[in-house]
Amino acid sequence: AQSVTQLGSHVSVSEGALVLLRCNYSSSVPPYLFWYVQYPNQGLQLLLKYTTGATLVKGINGFEAEFKKSETSFHLTKPSAHMSDAAEYFCAVSEGSYNTDKLIFGTGTRLQVFP
Amino acid sequence: DTAVSQTPKYLVTQMGNDKSIKCEQNLGHDTMYWYKQDSKKFLKIMFSYNNKELIINETVPNRFSPKSPDKAHLNLHINSLELGDSAVYFCASSLRDSSYNEQFFGPGTRLTVL
Repeated sequence: AQSVTQLGSHVSVSEGALVLLRCNYSSSVPPYLFWYVQYPNQGLQLLLKYTTGATLVKGINGFEAEFKKSETSFHLTKPSAHMSDAAEYFCAVSEGSYNTDKLIFGTGTRLQVFP
Repeated sequence: DTAVSQTPKYLVTQMGNDKSIKCEQNLGHDTMYWYKQDSKKFLKIMFSYNNKELIINETVPNRFSPKSPDKAHLNLHINSLELGDSAVYFCASSLRDSSYNEQFFGPGTRLTVL
C-alpha cells in the first residue's frame, strides 16, 4: 500500500531563508508525486508534480522538488522564502499509470515565515 | 469562471439531520472526487466517480451517498449526521486519460455538526 510521510508538522523560517519541506513515500509501483499548497480557508492548489523523466521538477512560485528513488524522497525547496509562502503544504502520491485515480496525502506541514 | 465550485461554503446543522453538498466543475473533466479534511488537516479520499460511475469507495459509512447526475456534477448527501462528520469536505476533478493525475480542488465546504 502507498503512504506518504511528511517530517515536521511545523516549519518556521525567516523571510529570505531557504525553505525545505520533507516528504518520503512508500510505493510498490513507480509513483507519481505531487506537492499541493493550501492557503488559509482555501482549497488545494497544485505546486508541482513528478510523473516520469527529469527528477528535478520546478513548480509555481519558485518552488522545486527532486525525486530521489534511492531515498524514496520528494522534498520541496525554495531558495528564498517570502511572507506570502506561509501556508499548509501537502505531499501526495498516486500509483500513476497503474491507477491514476487515487491520491494519498501526507499529514501536511505548516510553513510559517517571519519577517 | 470558477473551475471547481462547491455549495454551500459553510454548513452548520444539528446531529441527526440530513444534508447535501453540491459540486460542479467546468473543466471538461471526466472524474470527480470527494475528500474529507479533519480537524488535524488530514486529507483522505472518500469517493471517486468516472463518467458517472463509482470507481473508489473508501470504507465510508453508508450514511454518505454520492450522486453524479452527469460528468460535471458530483453531490454528496449525508444522512443522520454525527458529531464526527464535522470536517471540511473538498471536491476535486481530473481527466482520467491524461498522462498524470492532476486533480483540481474546489474551495471546500466546512461542515459543523452540533
